Parts: sequence; structure tokens; C-alpha cells
Amino acid sequence: RKEVEQDPGPFNVPEGATVAFNCTYSNSASQSFFWYRQDCRKEPKLLMSVYSSGNEDGRFTAQLNRASQYISLLIRDSKLSDSATYLCVVSPEYGQNFVFGPGTRLSVLP
Amino acid sequence: GAGVSQSPSNKVTEKGKDVELRCDPISGHTALYWYRQRLGQGLEFLIYFQGNSAPDKSGLPSDRFSAERTGESVSTLTIQRTQQEDSAVYLCASSPSSLNYGYTFGSGTRLTVV
Repeated sequence: RKEVEQDPGPFNVPEGATVAFNCTYSNSASQSFFWYRQDCRKEPKLLMSVYSSGNEDGRFTAQLNRASQYISLLIRDSKLSDSATYLCVVSPEYGQNFVFGPGTRLSVLP
Repeated sequence: GAGVSQSPSNKVTEKGKDVELRCDPISGHTALYWYRQRLGQGLEFLIYFQGNSAPDKSGLPSDRFSAERTGESVSTLTIQRTQQEDSAVYLCASSPSSLNYGYTFGSGTRLTVV
């Protein structure tokens, strides 16, 4: 089993749609969780951290379920500019490198 | 500077030549990472430096790859006797020591081996 797995995608949705991405991780000792976005031919950029209590940033909501080792990202009222690849990132035990999921590509269509 | 700086931004080299890629992390960031991303693929971990600890080299694909870091500053990734399969974007990232902060990536070096 891969350390971090994501929905394979791609997701093609119309503007204004709500879309949800799922991510699972294998290491139950993982400490920190993030969502990154990567635009075509650009470097990944931090979108948001994911906290146990869940957190929201505008149209974006992230949830963490430690018992199920599951992370989600919900995008409401999607915009054309949300088109990108979304990467789930998990930090294992302290002192070890972050593990990136393979990413899920989103295309928001006019 | 305010961000992670990588140089060169693009490098074309002939098969068999050595190349050196440079990364300047954000000042004060103790952790530095190198990743490789082939076209249309995910990020592949290469090496991780954390302060003065021994680096985690578990992701280096072969002994042609090596990396150095001077203290908590500049890092160089060296690829010896480059092969065509080394063609990729090499991304450097840095982060503070706390696990609660994500990485900040540089814009990468696009390496093409011809």
C-alpha cells in the first residue's frame, strides 16, 4: 500500500460546483497534514494545513479523520482559477520528510 | 530573499556530463528538501537536511546523485554522468523546524539531458 493515496481524477466540474477530494495515509503516527496545489509547470504551493478539528479558509474546507487515516478537501463555488492539481501531504514521525500524494487534477469548466 | 531561490532555472546538458543545481532556502529555515518531478508525474523525494543532523538520503536514485548543505544555508544537488532519464524538474523546498508549517518550494530547475 502506498503511504499516501488520493482520488485518481481528473475531476472536470462546471463553474460553481462543489467538489471534494479524498486522501488516505498509511502511517498512523503521522503528525501534520497539508493540502498543496500545483499549477501546470509551476511549483507546488501550500493551500492549507489540516487540523484535527477541521478548518475552513473561504471556499475551502479541510477535514482530518485520524481514526480512519483520512483527509478531505472540499471546494465550494468552484472558480476557473481553481483548476490545478491538488496534492495531499503527510508528515510522518518527527524528523522525517513529508510524503506527497500523487495528486488529483481538477479542471473547472466555463 | 523572501522565498526559496533555485538556480539555474533551466539547464540543458549533454548525456554524460555532470551538473550542479543550487538552492538558497528561506533564511532561518532549518529543514531543506530536494524533490524530482518528471513530466506529468508526482513528486519524488530525493534527500532531506534537518539542521546539523545527518541527512536522509534514502530517496537518492543512484550513487550518481549527491547533495551537500552548508550549515543551514545553501544546498547543492550534484548529478554525475547525467542520463536522459534524469531529465525532470528538480524542486527544492525549505521549512521551519516545526512540523506545523508546510514547505515553501522554489520554482525549480528544469533539467534536460540530450
